[in-house]
Amino acid sequence: KNEVEQSPQNLTAQEGEFITINCSYSVGISALHWLQQHPGGGIVSLFMLSSGKKKHGRLIATINIQEKHSSLHITASHPRDSAVYICAVITGTASKLTFGTGTRLQVTL
Amino acid sequence: DVKVTQSSRYLVKRTGEKVFLECVQDMDHENMFWYRQDPGLGLRLIYFSYDVKMKEKGDIPEGYSVSREKKERFSLILESASTNQTSMYLCASSSQGVEAFFGQGTRLTVV
Repeated sequence: KNEVEQSPQNLTAQEGEFITINCSYSVGISALHWLQQHPGGGIVSLFMLSSGKKKHGRLIATINIQEKHSSLHITASHPRDSAVYICAVITGTASKLTFGTGTRLQVTL
Repeated sequence: DVKVTQSSRYLVKRTGEKVFLECVQDMDHENMFWYRQDPGLGLRLIYFSYDVKMKEKGDIPEGYSVSREKKERFSLILESASTNQTSMYLCASSSQGVEAFFGQGTRLTVV
């Protein structure tokens, strides 16, 4: 069993829909990243959080440390949101990242 | 603008060649990482380093080695490239309590 599980693996939505991507993990962590990867490979960190909730524009990330669960929400989705979204947990003194396998999101007009 | 720079976007190498992938960060981060990304398997940790000249094996170190002689530079070495090392390689750097930053990736093809 992977230490970090994401769902769904693939997601297709229409423009304007509210989207939720879930991440569950089984290890003790110091923090959790939500990352975005567009075709071509580059990865960008959207959020790093260790408790509660963070919001940036149309993106909201929440984490429940007791339940070992995090969610990424996209409000009013847009085709430019189409990408792979990856959850990664941070463990250890060297801030090692362990990744989920990603959620491929396609937003259509 | 903070940056993690990988030396090549695309590389094609022959089986048996020695391959060097370079990664440089300008943020004075202690921690640096090398990952490979394969379809269906996600990102897997090859090696990481938490200080100059320090290195730790990740989940899939076989066939790879690393070098960190300076804080800003972390090199991944494929001693004798094989076709099963064809992959996307990503470098990352981080510091305690600070978000990680990623390079743009190197797509390596071994023929």
